[in-house]
Amino acid sequence: DAGVTQSPTHLIKTRGQQVTLRCSPKSGHDTVSWYQQALGQGPQFIFQYYEEEERQRGNFPDRFSGHQFPNYSSELNVNALWLGDSALYLCASSLDPDTQYFGPGTRLTVL
Amino acid sequence: GESVGLHLPTLSVQEGDNSIINCAYSNSASDYFIWYKQESGKGPQFIIDIRSNMDKRQGQRVTVLLNKTVKHLSLQIAATQPGDSAVYFCAEVKLDSWGKLQFGAGTQVVVTP
Repeated sequence: DAGVTQSPTHLIKTRGQQVTLRCSPKSGHDTVSWYQQALGQGPQFIFQYYEEEERQRGNFPDRFSGHQFPNYSSELNVNALWLGDSALYLCASSLDPDTQYFGPGTRLTVL
Repeated sequence: GESVGLHLPTLSVQEGDNSIINCAYSNSASDYFIWYKQESGKGPQFIIDIRSNMDKRQGQRVTVLLNKTVKHLSLQIAATQPGDSAVYFCAEVKLDSWGKLQFGAGTQVVVTP
């Protein structure tokens, strides 16, 4: 059984561009959460998707949006990129809140 | 706002010694706490968790202690090995938050031969 997978592994964008990151949850997991991890810091909660709806959201601007598909996979979209968006973006999937599995992350660099 | 934080950014430990990683939290309403290990280039990996109604929990080579009086959490790793080199995070969770994790800044553990 594959764990949580994310694509791409690395991504370089320039300021003002838009980016889409993808996450495939662990088999059977219906909840996907996204986190942003700046260099040297702990992950910060962006939002969580369940049943194709955004269930809760952290303190991130509307430039950050997402989607969950019927197969539970998810996308994170960031518009109007700026330098401060450079980070490791982590996806975590779960079937129950107590146990979450993280993917390896997507390293986004904004130049 | 409420936060979870760590006392030491870097911990150097000799192979075979025991490691102790500390974490302070400020939200007394948290229902449980989780320790994660993050190796370079990987996502956080679950190590052990502890409910707020417990003081101690043991796993394989790891022990987590919770002191609610001083809002302090610690992770003890017995007989530290080179494979234990990583960044360790504590995170807090509230039962009504659908598993939303609030992480601290992390402690880098470096195991020396």
